[in-house]
Amino acid sequence: GNSVTQMEGPVTLSEEAFLTINCTYTATGYPSLFWYVQYPGEGLQLLLKATKADDKGSNKGFEATYRKETTSFHLEKGSVQVSDSAVYFCALENYGGSQGNLIFGKGTKLSVKP
Amino acid sequence: NAGVTQTPKFRVLKTGQSMTLLCAQDMNHEYMYWYRQDPGMGLRLIHYSVGEGTTAKGEVPDGYNVSRLKKQNFLLGLESAAPSQTSVYFCASTASASKNIQYFGAGTRLSVL
Repeated sequence: GNSVTQMEGPVTLSEEAFLTINCTYTATGYPSLFWYVQYPGEGLQLLLKATKADDKGSNKGFEATYRKETTSFHLEKGSVQVSDSAVYFCALENYGGSQGNLIFGKGTKLSVKP
Repeated sequence: NAGVTQTPKFRVLKTGQSMTLLCAQDMNHEYMYWYRQDPGMGLRLIHYSVGEGTTAKGEVPDGYNVSRLKKQNFLLGLESAAPSQTSVYFCASTASASKNIQYFGAGTRLSVL
């Protein structure tokens, strides 16, 4: 079945450091891919998405490119800020299913120190 | 902008007690979902609904029931709570399967003693 694997955390970085959170997926077909972010005490919110191969999603300085050949959707940011401290979830749509639900990775906690 | 609202935010139950979690959305979305979030497990789908009056099982439905009597509300019930149901519960909604952007509530933190 479809699945998502993302790097385990926690990840601790200093402010202005470069961030990469790896995400790979297994899926039939070409599902849309997402990164959601969960700030402390809040629900998840969409950070960015990509709907087809080679698409690049971007938002708030974060980027991720849909790589069909490596089945990956790695999240990157060139210079992280303390306010980026959160848990990041990679997800894919339940492509071809009728539920419309998302399949999530286990989440990666990011802590950014000043 | 209310979006998706979950009540209550926190609850402590004793084993065997029952409770209902309420999810309300004001975006006229067709699809609604209940997930649970456990450490190291990500989010797992409990039940979902593709429209008013319809519900279906997700990945981990045992011990839970749901109802969608009104389009805007999706209720999650625990008939006889167990410690294994200690978790954070999230409700989400989306306009349709093809839209696939889900909007989440702030969560309900449930402890079963």
